Amino acid sequence: SQQGEEDPQALSIQEGENATMNCSYKTSINNLQWYRQNSGRGLVHLILIRSNEREKHSGRLRVTLDTSKKSSSLLITASRAADTASYFCATDGETSGSRLTFGEGTQLTVNP
Amino acid sequence: NAGVTQTPKFQVLKTGQSMTLQCAQDMNHNSMYWYRQDPGMGLRLIYYSASEGTTDKGEVPNGYNVSRLNKREFSLRLESAAPSQTSVYFCASSRVFQEGYGYTFGSGTRLTVV
Repeated sequence: SQQGEEDPQALSIQEGENATMNCSYKTSINNLQWYRQNSGRGLVHLILIRSNEREKHSGRLRVTLDTSKKSSSLLITASRAADTASYFCATDGETSGSRLTFGEGTQLTVNP
Repeated sequence: NAGVTQTPKFQVLKTGQSMTLQCAQDMNHNSMYWYRQDPGMGLRLIYYSASEGTTDKGEVPNGYNVSRLNKREFSLRLESAAPSQTSVYFCASSRVFQEGYGYTFGSGTRLTVV
């Protein structure tokens, strides 16, 4: 079964708004990563947060990790139409060793 | 541009036919992976190669074989294609097989088995 599960499955917002996506996982992890996939393309690595970190920023991206709740969130601030894509969380750790296990993704649509 | 190159981009096979999906990376990465992506299932790991000369099964290896030809190339073979193997296949690589490294993905091979 999938280690990570994203929520919501789909999100539609207006340009300029913030978008928040959540990821929950089942077993202990070493790291959690977020990826973006544009339609018809491969996945692109966005950000990695280690299990001993609680928050990380990269440009308009903010990732939080709560290991006690086994959950993470990805916040995209001031969204743009170009942010329209699917977003996946991926974990490595106890169940998968160094192999990444991906969730099913959140489809984000940013309307101009 | 540096990255992961997959060929072909599209393929239609008849049930029972065989084919090899090719993957090459030019980033001097040690580890390579094959995933399949199906609607509502996310990405599932088929096989991986932690380093040149080694390969291991992932979550869904049945019906597939792999070859790590050299450090750059990692191929995926379907010996007798089945409709259940209709999917989008992604090859990925990472610098080392160790926690904490992001993957670089290819653009995918869209395979239809009829």
